[in-house]
Amino acid sequence: EPEVTQTPSHQVTQMGQEVILRCVPISNHLYFYWYRQILGQKVEFLVSFYNNEISEKSEIFDDQFSVERPDGSNFTLKIRSTKLEDSAMYFCASLGTEGQPQHFGDGTRLSIL
Amino acid sequence: AQSVTQLGSHVSVSEGALVLLRCNYSSSVPPYLFWYVQYPNQGLQLLLKYTTGATLVKGINGFEAEFKKSETSFHLTKPSAHMSDAAEYFCAVTSSNRDDKIIFGKGTRLHILP
Repeated sequence: EPEVTQTPSHQVTQMGQEVILRCVPISNHLYFYWYRQILGQKVEFLVSFYNNEISEKSEIFDDQFSVERPDGSNFTLKIRSTKLEDSAMYFCASLGTEGQPQHFGDGTRLSIL
Repeated sequence: AQSVTQLGSHVSVSEGALVLLRCNYSSSVPPYLFWYVQYPNQGLQLLLKYTTGATLVKGINGFEAEFKKSETSFHLTKPSAHMSDAAEYFCAVTSSNRDDKIIFGKGTRLHILP
């Protein structure tokens, strides 16, 4: 079964540095998402992306965050200047057919020092 | 707007006993409902989903859930708990709109007692 692939599995970054989290969605999917899960808390929606533009974003997704689909296969989440509170597990998801659930990757654990 | 409420952040059951994890949802449009399981330091695995049709849905690992519109509930059950079921379980809702985001509940940690 096709999978959503996320790299790296764990990223450690100094506060204030830029970080890029990478995702390869399922190849024929058209809708892409990022979610975040702070340790011990629930999974929260960050942003959805369709047709090369943001469809919806949450209040968490401020100007420090950006998403991009640079080459038709990768889907990236960039945090421009990381803060301690950005430490979390970040999940990428993609969706193909209506009525089917979003497929989630295994996540990238981001640790900000 | 949509929301999910999971009753009980921690549930403990004995091995072999019935598992019941409660979930209530709120949605202004017909909901699509999901249960996900998360093992420690791992990603989200879909257990089962309800979109349309039969209200009793069966998932992996012997789990099932019943969509009750009148009660706005989607409780997860398993007749006989196994030690390997110990994990965090998330109920989630989205709408039938094609690309809508998923809203997750706060999760219930299931403990299995020997």
